[in-house]
Amino acid sequence: QQKVQQSPESLTVSEGAMASLNCTFSDGTSNNFRWYRQHSAKGLEVLVSIFSDGEKEEGRFTAHLNRANLHVSLHIREPQPSDSAVYLCAVSPVTSSGQKLVFGQGTILKVYL
Amino acid sequence: GALVYQYPRRTICKSGTSMRMECQAVGFQATSVAWYRQSPQKTFELIALSTVNSAIKYEQNFTQEKFPISHPNLSFSSMTVLNAYLEDRGLYLCGARDTANSDYTFGSGTRLLVI
Repeated sequence: QQKVQQSPESLTVSEGAMASLNCTFSDGTSNNFRWYRQHSAKGLEVLVSIFSDGEKEEGRFTAHLNRANLHVSLHIREPQPSDSAVYLCAVSPVTSSGQKLVFGQGTILKVYL
Repeated sequence: GALVYQYPRRTICKSGTSMRMECQAVGFQATSVAWYRQSPQKTFELIALSTVNSAIKYEQNFTQEKFPISHPNLSFSSMTVLNAYLEDRGLYLCGARDTANSDYTFGSGTRLLVI
Protein backbone atom coordinates (compact mmCIF):
# COMPACT_ATOMS: atom_id res chain seq x y z
CA GLN A 1 0.00 0.00 0.00
CA GLN A 2 1.26 3.43 -0.96
CA LYS A 3 2.78 5.44 1.89
CA VAL A 4 3.47 9.15 1.58
CA GLN A 5 5.74 11.02 3.97
CA GLN A 6 6.37 14.75 4.01
CA SER A 7 9.18 16.78 5.52
CA PRO A 8 9.73 18.98 7.28
CA GLU A 9 6.73 18.89 9.57
CA SER A 10 6.83 22.67 9.72
CA LEU A 11 8.86 25.36 8.05
CA THR A 12 9.23 29.05 8.78
CA VAL A 13 10.75 31.35 6.17
CA SER A 14 11.03 35.05 5.68
CA GLU A 15 9.20 36.78 2.90
CA GLY A 16 11.17 36.46 -0.32
CA ALA A 17 13.30 33.46 0.69
CA MET A 18 12.82 30.21 -1.21
CA ALA A 19 10.69 27.62 0.59
CA SER A 20 11.39 23.97 -0.18
CA LEU A 21 9.11 21.10 0.83
CA ASN A 22 9.77 17.40 0.41
CA CYS A 23 7.66 14.33 -0.17
CA THR A 24 8.69 10.69 -0.42
CA PHE A 25 6.51 7.82 -1.51
CA SER A 26 6.87 4.08 -1.28
CA ASP A 27 5.54 2.91 -4.66
CA GLY A 28 7.49 4.21 -7.64
CA THR A 29 4.91 3.07 -10.16
CA SER A 30 2.47 5.79 -9.11
CA ASN A 31 1.58 7.92 -12.07
CA ASN A 32 0.27 11.22 -10.74
CA PHE A 33 1.72 13.55 -8.15
CA ARG A 34 0.14 16.71 -6.88
CA TRP A 35 0.82 19.44 -4.41
CA TYR A 36 -2.14 21.03 -2.65
CA ARG A 37 -2.47 23.93 -0.27
CA GLN A 38 -4.93 24.06 2.60
CA HIS A 39 -5.59 27.37 4.28
CA SER A 40 -6.85 27.22 7.82
CA ALA A 41 -10.08 25.24 8.10
CA LYS A 42 -10.65 25.34 4.37
CA GLY A 43 -10.63 22.97 1.44
CA LEU A 44 -7.81 22.11 -0.92
CA GLU A 45 -6.32 24.20 -3.69
CA VAL A 46 -4.23 22.35 -6.28
CA LEU A 47 -0.91 24.07 -6.94
CA VAL A 48 1.01 21.79 -9.29
CA SER A 49 0.32 18.43 -10.95
CA ILE A 50 3.30 16.50 -12.27
CA PHE A 51 3.34 13.20 -14.12
CA SER A 52 6.85 12.86 -15.57
CA ASP A 53 10.30 13.01 -14.07
CA GLY A 54 11.74 16.48 -14.09
CA GLU A 55 10.38 19.86 -13.29
CA LYS A 56 7.05 21.60 -13.68
CA GLU A 57 6.41 25.24 -12.92
CA GLU A 58 3.11 26.93 -12.15
CA GLY A 59 3.74 30.57 -11.36
CA ARG A 60 5.85 30.78 -8.20
CA PHE A 61 5.43 27.06 -7.51
CA THR A 62 7.81 24.49 -9.01
CA ALA A 63 7.58 20.75 -8.50
CA HIS A 64 10.49 18.36 -9.07
CA LEU A 65 9.80 14.65 -9.54
CA ASN A 66 12.41 11.89 -9.31
CA ARG A 67 10.74 8.51 -9.44
CA ALA A 68 13.98 6.58 -9.03
CA ASN A 69 14.53 8.30 -5.69
CA LEU A 70 10.82 8.07 -4.81
CA HIS A 71 10.85 11.81 -4.22
CA VAL A 72 8.84 14.83 -5.26
CA SER A 73 9.51 18.33 -3.99
CA LEU A 74 7.82 21.70 -4.09
CA HIS A 75 9.70 24.98 -4.24
CA ILE A 76 7.98 28.27 -3.60
CA ARG A 77 9.72 31.28 -5.06
CA GLU A 78 9.38 34.60 -3.25
CA PRO A 79 6.92 33.33 -0.63
CA GLN A 80 4.54 35.84 0.89
CA PRO A 81 2.68 35.85 4.22
CA SER A 82 -0.47 34.86 2.32
CA ASP A 83 1.30 31.62 1.37
CA SER A 84 1.20 30.55 5.03
CA ALA A 85 -0.82 27.34 5.00
CA VAL A 86 -0.55 23.56 5.17
CA TYR A 87 0.96 22.04 2.04
CA LEU A 88 -0.07 18.53 1.14
CA CYS A 89 1.57 16.09 -1.23
CA ALA A 90 -0.80 13.64 -2.90
CA VAL A 91 0.05 10.55 -4.93
CA SER A 92 -2.26 8.61 -7.22
CA PRO A 93 -1.41 4.91 -7.33
CA VAL A 94 -1.36 3.65 -10.88
CA THR A 95 -3.73 0.81 -10.04
CA SER A 96 -6.59 3.19 -9.31
CA SER A 97 -6.55 5.01 -12.67
CA GLY A 98 -5.70 8.19 -10.89
CA GLN A 99 -8.90 8.28 -8.90
CA LYS A 100 -7.53 7.62 -5.47
CA LEU A 101 -5.30 10.23 -3.89
CA VAL A 102 -3.04 9.19 -1.02
CA PHE A 103 -2.04 12.22 1.02
CA GLY A 104 0.99 12.95 3.13
CA GLN A 105 0.55 14.38 6.57
CA GLY A 106 1.32 17.90 5.43
CA THR A 107 3.95 20.58 6.02
CA ILE A 108 2.94 23.71 7.90
CA LEU A 109 4.51 26.70 6.20
CA LYS A 110 4.74 30.06 7.94
CA VAL A 111 6.00 33.10 6.06
CA TYR A 112 6.88 36.21 8.04
CA LEU A 113 7.62 39.76 6.94
CA GLY B 1 -14.39 27.71 -14.23
CA ALA B 2 -14.95 24.50 -12.31
CA LEU B 3 -16.28 24.97 -8.79
CA VAL B 4 -17.57 22.67 -6.08
CA TYR B 5 -19.85 24.10 -3.42
CA GLN B 6 -19.99 22.10 -0.23
CA TYR B 7 -22.41 22.72 2.62
CA PRO B 8 -22.85 23.13 5.41
CA ARG B 9 -19.44 24.64 6.16
CA ARG B 10 -19.66 23.74 9.79
CA THR B 11 -22.06 21.67 11.84
CA ILE B 12 -22.48 20.40 15.37
CA CYS B 13 -24.42 17.29 16.17
CA LYS B 14 -25.17 15.40 19.32
CA SER B 15 -23.51 12.07 19.84
CA GLY B 16 -25.59 9.30 18.29
CA THR B 17 -27.37 11.53 15.79
CA SER B 18 -26.77 11.84 12.07
CA MET B 19 -25.85 14.64 9.76
CA ARG B 20 -25.82 15.04 6.00
CA MET B 21 -23.47 17.06 3.86
CA GLU B 22 -23.86 17.98 0.22
CA CYS B 23 -21.72 18.92 -2.73
CA GLN B 24 -22.76 20.76 -5.85
CA ALA B 25 -20.53 20.85 -8.95
CA VAL B 26 -20.75 23.95 -11.13
CA GLY B 27 -19.18 24.39 -14.54
CA PHE B 28 -18.35 20.75 -15.18
CA GLN B 29 -19.82 17.29 -14.94
CA ALA B 30 -19.06 15.48 -11.70
CA THR B 31 -18.62 12.04 -13.19
CA SER B 32 -16.56 10.93 -10.19
CA VAL B 33 -16.87 12.16 -6.64
CA ALA B 34 -14.46 11.34 -3.83
CA TRP B 35 -15.25 11.87 -0.16
CA TYR B 36 -12.38 12.36 2.29
CA ARG B 37 -12.11 12.87 6.02
CA GLN B 38 -9.37 14.74 7.85
CA SER B 39 -9.53 13.78 11.50
CA PRO B 40 -7.80 15.98 14.11
CA GLN B 41 -3.99 15.74 13.81
CA LYS B 42 -4.27 13.45 10.78
CA THR B 43 -4.11 13.75 7.04
CA PHE B 44 -6.93 13.19 4.58
CA GLU B 45 -8.27 9.64 4.36
CA LEU B 46 -10.39 8.48 1.46
CA ILE B 47 -13.82 7.32 2.57
CA ALA B 48 -15.28 6.29 -0.77
CA LEU B 49 -15.24 6.89 -4.50
CA SER B 50 -18.47 7.31 -6.41
CA THR B 51 -18.83 7.20 -10.17
CA VAL B 52 -22.17 7.85 -11.82
CA ASN B 53 -23.78 4.62 -13.00
CA SER B 54 -21.30 2.49 -11.06
CA ALA B 55 -21.21 1.04 -7.59
CA ILE B 56 -19.75 3.20 -4.85
CA LYS B 57 -16.41 1.87 -3.59
CA TYR B 58 -15.69 2.24 0.09
CA GLU B 59 -12.22 2.11 1.56
CA GLN B 60 -11.25 -0.23 4.35
CA ASN B 61 -12.57 1.05 7.70
CA PHE B 62 -15.46 2.89 6.05
CA THR B 63 -18.83 1.33 5.23
CA GLN B 64 -22.02 2.23 3.43
CA GLU B 65 -23.91 1.49 6.62
CA LYS B 66 -22.05 4.29 8.39
CA PHE B 67 -21.43 6.72 5.52
CA PRO B 68 -24.20 6.30 2.92
CA ILE B 69 -23.48 8.27 -0.23
CA SER B 70 -25.84 9.44 -2.93
CA HIS B 71 -24.63 10.48 -6.38
CA PRO B 72 -27.84 10.75 -8.42
CA ASN B 73 -26.61 12.95 -11.29
CA LEU B 74 -23.60 14.72 -12.77
CA SER B 75 -23.83 17.78 -10.53
CA PHE B 76 -24.70 16.57 -7.05
CA SER B 77 -23.55 14.22 -4.33
CA SER B 78 -24.32 13.87 -0.66
CA MET B 79 -22.95 11.86 2.21
CA THR B 80 -24.49 11.20 5.59
CA VAL B 81 -22.61 10.40 8.77
CA LEU B 82 -24.94 8.07 10.64
CA ASN B 83 -24.88 7.69 14.39
CA ALA B 84 -21.99 10.10 14.79
CA TYR B 85 -19.58 9.78 17.70
CA LEU B 86 -16.49 11.63 18.82
CA GLU B 87 -14.21 9.69 16.49
CA ASP B 88 -16.23 10.97 13.52
CA ARG B 89 -15.33 14.60 14.10
CA GLY B 90 -13.14 16.31 11.58
CA LEU B 91 -13.18 18.00 8.21
CA TYR B 92 -15.07 16.17 5.47
CA LEU B 93 -14.13 17.07 1.95
CA CYS B 94 -15.71 16.21 -1.35
CA GLY B 95 -13.80 16.33 -4.59
CA ALA B 96 -15.27 15.95 -8.06
CA ARG B 97 -13.89 15.55 -11.55
CA ASP B 98 -15.29 14.93 -14.99
CA THR B 99 -12.77 12.66 -16.70
CA ALA B 100 -10.09 10.22 -15.65
CA ASN B 101 -7.42 12.64 -16.79
CA SER B 102 -8.60 15.72 -14.94
CA ASP B 103 -7.70 16.92 -11.48
CA TYR B 104 -10.22 16.81 -8.71
CA THR B 105 -11.87 20.09 -7.78
CA PHE B 106 -12.48 20.19 -4.06
CA GLY B 107 -15.18 21.86 -2.02
CA SER B 108 -14.37 23.95 1.04
CA GLY B 109 -15.21 21.13 3.39
CA THR B 110 -17.75 20.46 6.12
CA ARG B 111 -16.36 20.60 9.63
CA LEU B 112 -18.19 18.22 11.93
CA LEU B 113 -18.13 18.64 15.66
CA VAL B 114 -19.76 15.97 17.78
CA ILE B 115 -20.84 16.78 21.32
